[in-house]
Amino acid sequence: ELKVEQNPLFLSMQEGKNYTIYCNYSTTSDRLYWYRQDPGKSLESLFVLLSNGAVKQEGRLMASLDTKARLSTLHITAAVHDLSATYFCAVGPLNTDKLIFGTGTRLQVFP
Amino acid sequence: DAGVIQSPRHEVTEMGQEVTLRCKPISGHNSLFWYRQTMMRGLELLIYFNNNVPIDDSGMPEDRFSAKMPNASFSTLKIQPSEPRDSAVYFCASSFSGGPYEQYFGPGTRLTVT
Repeated sequence: ELKVEQNPLFLSMQEGKNYTIYCNYSTTSDRLYWYRQDPGKSLESLFVLLSNGAVKQEGRLMASLDTKARLSTLHITAAVHDLSATYFCAVGPLNTDKLIFGTGTRLQVFP
Repeated sequence: DAGVIQSPRHEVTEMGQEVTLRCKPISGHNSLFWYRQTMMRGLELLIYFNNNVPIDDSGMPEDRFSAKMPNASFSTLKIQPSEPRDSAVYFCASSFSGGPYEQYFGPGTRLTVT
């Protein structure tokens, strides 16, 4: 059974600092997704990574995928308060449409 | 496109009552997913459909839960009878199974069972 682990589960960081969220998964997959969820809101798609070595960037967020290590990272550059949210990674098992979600990383950015 | 539409947005009911949640996927999407989110258990996949056919219902907690997709533009998740432990936010999501399988989530239904 595919398992997805994120760390850290909670991250409190100062504005302007850099940090990385890690997403590890247990079996072979060729697609990985990052979502953002604001409190009381739904999940919003951030990145879709479909191949080994894929890198996507949007503003202060950059996501990468290493399928050999079964690892994806979400790097935050010069954090700002607006990035405060919960971030989920999700992995797609082979030969199925479904996604397995990680536990989420709650990010809090303070001045 | 209007995105995934869910109704109602909030539902408060008493234990033992029947609850029906509704979902309209994005037009052109042929996979539909029902999730439940709680603080204790996180985000759980309950069931998913492809081309209106249930493919994987292994996440449905028990026989009190049932889901249907009578056509490509409508799905229901029913709980009968409801219990307080069913209180959660229920999300519907849809995707196109031709790839890249990116799921788009609806706004969710917040269910409270008293």
